[in-house]
Amino acid sequence: GQQLNQSPQSMFIQEGEDVSMNCTSSSIFNTWLWYKQDPGEGPVLLIALYKAGELTSNGRLTAQFGITRKDSFLNISASIPSDVGIYFCAGLGTSYDKVIFGPGTSLSVIP
Amino acid sequence: DAGVTQSPTHLIKTRGQQVTLRCSPKSGHDTVSWYQQALGQGPQFIFQYYEEEERQRGNFPDRFSGHQFPNYSSELNVNALLLGDSALYLCASSLVSRGEQYFGPGTRLTVT
Repeated sequence: GQQLNQSPQSMFIQEGEDVSMNCTSSSIFNTWLWYKQDPGEGPVLLIALYKAGELTSNGRLTAQFGITRKDSFLNISASIPSDVGIYFCAGLGTSYDKVIFGPGTSLSVIP
Repeated sequence: DAGVTQSPTHLIKTRGQQVTLRCSPKSGHDTVSWYQQALGQGPQFIFQYYEEEERQRGNFPDRFSGHQFPNYSSELNVNALLLGDSALYLCASSLVSRGEQYFGPGTRLTVT
């Protein structure tokens, strides 16, 4: 079945540093979604990407839809303590498809 | 504008019992999806409802069933609970024409 891989699995960074994480798949997706989840809460949608090559920003966050449609990238600039959490990528083929989630990247920010 | 709401917040059940979880979608949304999230893992898709019909289903047994009401709210039912059903159950709503899904806070189910 469809599966997503995320890397790195976890990362520890200093406050103020930039962060990069990525998501890859063996299948093509038409939509990529990036979520952040805090412990015990539901995932919060950060960025949605709908077109191959698309680059979209949301404040300090920037995400890109890979040209091959099999990958996506998320960058966080000038990290702050509240960026701590688990970041999930998710892909789907059409709006009618089930959303496939990656295993997540755990981010820790050291003040 | 209210986001996705779920009830109850927490639930403790005994093995073999049945449970019903509830979800109200974000205002204006017509599609509801349910996910199971085990500790330390990403959400796993259970099923999706649109126009009161189950439209997509993940790899979950028939013990997991659902319903969508005319006001777009939804229920998830799990019969014959197993210890392995302990998880965070998430509801997400969306528009049928858009892929982006918005999640509720989840219901933490513990099966003892």
